[in-house]
Amino acid sequence: RKEVEQDPGPFNVPEGATVAFNCTYSNSASQSFFWYRQDCRKEPKLLMSVYSSGNEDGRFTAQLNRASQYISLLIRDSKLSDSATYLCVVNMEYGNKLVFGAGTILRVKS
Amino acid sequence: SQTIHQWPATLVQPVGSPLSLECTVEGTSNPNLYWYRQAAGRGLQLLFYSVGIGQISSEVPQNLSASRPQDRQFILSSKKLLLSDSGFYLCAWRLTGGHTFGSGTRLTVV
Repeated sequence: RKEVEQDPGPFNVPEGATVAFNCTYSNSASQSFFWYRQDCRKEPKLLMSVYSSGNEDGRFTAQLNRASQYISLLIRDSKLSDSATYLCVVNMEYGNKLVFGAGTILRVKS
Repeated sequence: SQTIHQWPATLVQPVGSPLSLECTVEGTSNPNLYWYRQAAGRGLQLLFYSVGIGQISSEVPQNLSASRPQDRQFILSSKKLLLSDSGFYLCAWRLTGGHTFGSGTRLTVV
């Protein structure tokens, strides 16, 4: 089983739609969690951290369920510029190392 | 401000040739530094990380090596490249929580 699993997509949605991505992780001792965004042929960039109580940043909402080892990202009112690959990332307990999911592709169309 | 530099942006090398990719950071001291590789259509794979000068941890067996000759310099090397070494190589450093990535080197071994 992969350490971090994501639905690869692609998710094809119209502008203005709400879309949700899910992610599961295998190591229950994982300490911190993130969502990164990666544009085509570019480096990943941190989108937001994910906190146990859930957190929101504008149109983006991240949630964490430690009991189910499940992370989600919700994007409201999708924009064309949201088209990218979204990477679920987990910081394992045993060092300062991040484990990346393979990513979920989002395509927002007009 | 804190910045990370990586070069070259693209590289085409023949099989069996050597490789040297350099990463430098500015605006911080004693950072944790990382080398990742992303193969086409796949997730990021951690190759090496370093917590200080001369301290290198290898995550996967391969024909690559890493060195940290100075606090803010991290080098990825190979004596003889293989076709399978092709990919997008990313240097990163660890700030609070997540990692910040350099712009990456796209390596094609031919």
